[in-house]
Amino acid sequence: GNSVTQMEGPVTLSEEAFLTINCTYTATGYPSLFWYVQYPGEGLQLLLKATKADDKGSNKGFEATYRKETTSFHLEKGSVQVSDSAVYFCALSDRSGGYQKVTFGIGTKLQVIP
Amino acid sequence: GAGVSQSPSNKVTEKGKDVELRCDPISGHTALYWYRQSLGQGLEFLIYFQGNSAPDKSGLPSDRFSAERTGGSVSTLTIQRTQQEDSAVYLCASSSTGVSNQPQHFGDGTRLSIL
Repeated sequence: GNSVTQMEGPVTLSEEAFLTINCTYTATGYPSLFWYVQYPGEGLQLLLKATKADDKGSNKGFEATYRKETTSFHLEKGSVQVSDSAVYFCALSDRSGGYQKVTFGIGTKLQVIP
Repeated sequence: GAGVSQSPSNKVTEKGKDVELRCDPISGHTALYWYRQSLGQGLEFLIYFQGNSAPDKSGLPSDRFSAERTGGSVSTLTIQRTQQEDSAVYLCASSSTGVSNQPQHFGDGTRLSIL
C-alpha cells in the first residue's frame, strides 16, 4: 500500500533560518502530493500541492518539488518566521479500488524562536 | 458557510456513553472524510464518503464506530460505548470531487475527552 515518511520533530530553528522538512513516499500509481499545515488549535490547511513529476508547489515562501526519481517532496523555506511555528504534514492522494485514498505522514512540529 | 464546520468543538463525556459528532462540509463538495488525531500522532483515516457510492469504511477501528451522510451533505460520526482510548481530536474534511489532485478542506475538529 501507499505510505508517507517524514522526519520526526520537533524541529527548532531561529528566525530567518533555512528550513527543510524531508518527505518521501511509496505509491503504486501516480499520486498527487500535498503539504498541509496545522496551527495550534486549528484543523489542517493546504499549504501547497504538486500533481505530477517535476511540478513545484509554492505558497507563502514555502516550496516543494515533486521528484519521482527519488520519490520525494521535501518542503523548504529560505527564511522562517515565528508565525511559521506549526505542525506540517506531507500527504499523497491516489485512487485505489475505486476510492480516493489519502495517506498522511506523521507530521513534523516546527518551532521558530525569535 | 465558507468552510467545513464541525460541532461540538469540545466534548467531554463519561466512559460507556454514546457520542455523536457532526460535520457540515463545504457546499457542493461530494467527498467527505473523517480522521482521528491522537496526541502526538498523525492522522488516522476512519471513513470516506463519495457522492452516492458506498462509503469506504476500512479505517473504522471497531464496530462501536459508525458514520452516515444524509442527503450527500451533513455527516455524523457516532461512537457507541465510548472508551478512554477514544479520546482524540476528530477531524472532518471535504473535497470538491473524488479526484486525487483535489486538496482536502478541513474543519477545526472536535476534541473528545472520555473520563
